[in-house]
Amino acid sequence: NAGVMQNPRHLVRRRGQEARLRCSPMKGHSHVYWYRQLPEEGLKFMVYLQKENIIDESGMPKERFSAEFPKEGPSILRIQQVVRGDSAAYFCASSSRHGGPDTQYFGPGTRLTVL
Amino acid sequence: AQTVTQSQPEMSVQEAETVTLSCTYDTSESDYYLFWYKQPPSRQMILVIRQEAYKQQNATENRFSVNFQKAAKSFSLKISDSQLGDAAMYFCAYRSARGETSGSRLTFGEGTQLTVNP
Repeated sequence: NAGVMQNPRHLVRRRGQEARLRCSPMKGHSHVYWYRQLPEEGLKFMVYLQKENIIDESGMPKERFSAEFPKEGPSILRIQQVVRGDSAAYFCASSSRHGGPDTQYFGPGTRLTVL
Repeated sequence: AQTVTQSQPEMSVQEAETVTLSCTYDTSESDYYLFWYKQPPSRQMILVIRQEAYKQQNATENRFSVNFQKAAKSFSLKISDSQLGDAAMYFCAYRSARGETSGSRLTFGEGTQLTVNP
């Protein structure tokens, strides 16, 4: 049973370019969460999605960031017109249901570097 | 909003010894879950242990155990018989038990970097 998959593991973009980060949840999981970890800091919640629905995006920056989890395929975190402050590790987690003691299993993260 | 505080940025322990990592949190809720995650140099986030707030008994997973003090809003992690592979950043995390939206996000502390000396 494969774990949470994220790709790419490392992504380098120049300022103004777009970054697309992909997350495939564990088999049987329909809940996906995105977190961002800035250097030397803890993880910060960004968005919670279920298939075709954004449930909670209260942690997402208001501009340039968007997320989706289509009926088919991986969840995508999209950052438009990247700036140096977007450089961070982006982690995806999945669970089989919301709430409860159900564990969120994390992927290996995507490290985004903006030049 | 809930907050999680880890007051020890760094800790060190001798191999085979015991170390305790501290975590406090602030919440007005009565039902919630607490977690400790480990992040080794590979950056992978690994669940170490979890605790349901309604359970009085402290959770234990092999060499890892917690001291959950609900009234004090404290959730410390004890690692017994420390091993070199325990060296990592440890994060304490909180999750509400209510609702579909806020009951799902994890709120993390800033982390404690644990060094294990041979």
